[in-house]
Parts: sequence; structure tokens; C-alpha cells
Amino acid sequence: AQKITQTQPGMFVQEKEAVTLDCTYDTSDPSYGLFWYKQPSSGEMIFLIYQGSYDQQNATEGRYSLNFQKARKSANLVISASQLGDSAMYFCAMREVPRRALTFGSGTRLQVQP
Amino acid sequence: NAGVTQTPKFRVLKTGQSMTLLCAQDMNHEYMYWYRQDPGMGLRLIHYSVGEGTTAKGEVPDGYNVSRLKKQNFLLGLESAAPSQTSVYFCASSWTSGGPLTDTQYFGPGTRLTVL
Repeated sequence: AQKITQTQPGMFVQEKEAVTLDCTYDTSDPSYGLFWYKQPSSGEMIFLIYQGSYDQQNATEGRYSLNFQKARKSANLVISASQLGDSAMYFCAMREVPRRALTFGSGTRLQVQP
Repeated sequence: NAGVTQTPKFRVLKTGQSMTLLCAQDMNHEYMYWYRQDPGMGLRLIHYSVGEGTTAKGEVPDGYNVSRLKKQNFLLGLESAAPSQTSVYFCASSWTSGGPLTDTQYFGPGTRLTVL
């Protein structure tokens, strides 16, 4: 069975600083995909970044980067230059190849302080 | 291009009542999913569909039924609602092109359901 663990229920960061949100995963499948989603207080799920298990380089999307350490089974999200609008819940998720459904972690609530 | 839409946005039911949640996508996606999100938790998969006319069970399927008669629509039904089904329900869709490791799921805005 697959499992995603996010050990930080809540995080605070000062505006303009960088923050790392932790995610570890467990799977026996050699092929998998890792995703991060943002859920603001309005409730929608916003896709941020994707990392494939065979990707050689860490994924980046603007201010978001994914620190992928395959041997340690970790896929941490790094947000650089935090903004007030980054305050939200952040979910790490893993996708199974056969059915493509996502398994989610319990989330980390990030609060950016001015 | 609306993406993924869900109807209704909010609903209050009494125990034992039935209802259907509608999900529609205009991205020609093959795969569609229904998740539920309970307070303080991530999303959990209820049912999913890999194409028109096909459905399959996810992690928490009990008490729900689904149908996918048209490619763009995925319906979630509650035949006899229970308070334990109070949750926020999300629909998502994804496509099959680009290889099995690159399809991203796009989510609808969610339906907040309360069962009294």
C-alpha cells in the first residue's frame, strides 16, 4: 500500500523568506509520480508542481521547487521568496501508475507573516 | 474553457435522503475521479473512471455509487445519506496523453455536503 507522510501540521514563515515543506512517501512501485497541491481558504485545489520517479533533475515551477531525494523517499516542496498569498494548506500526493488516482498526505498549513 | 465544474456547491440533507452530485469537464479527459475531504485530512478516493461507461472503486466507496454515461460527465450518488458522509467532495479529471507519469489531475471547486 502507498503512503504519504507530512509531519508538519503547521508552519510559519516571514514574508520574502524561503520555506521547506516536508513530504515522505512509501511505495514498492518503481514508477510513480509526486505532486504538490495548494488549497487556499477558498477551498479549491491548485496544482503546483510534479516530479516523476525517473526524472533526473529536481522539478521547478517559478518560485516552487521540489527537492527530490529518491533514496530517502522524500519530496520536499521549497517555496522561495514567500508572499502573503502563499498562506494556505499544502498537500503532497503520489500517483499510482495503473489507475492514476492520487494518495494524499494530511497537509501542512503555511502562514506567511508580514 | 471552464475546466472542471461541480454542481451543486453546497447542500444540506437529512439522514436517509438521496442526492446526486454532478461533475463536468470540458478538457476531453479520459480519467475522472471523486474524492472526499474530511476536516484536517487529505483527500481520499471514493470512485474513479478510466473512460466512458467504466467505473471502479477507490479507498472509501461504501455508501456511494457512480456513473459515467458521457465522457465529459461523472455523477456521484448517495442513495441513503448518513451523517458520516458530511464532507467536502471534489471531482478531478486527467488525460492519458503524454505518458503514464505526466498526467496532472485538475480539480473542480468542491461541493460542501452536510448530512443532519
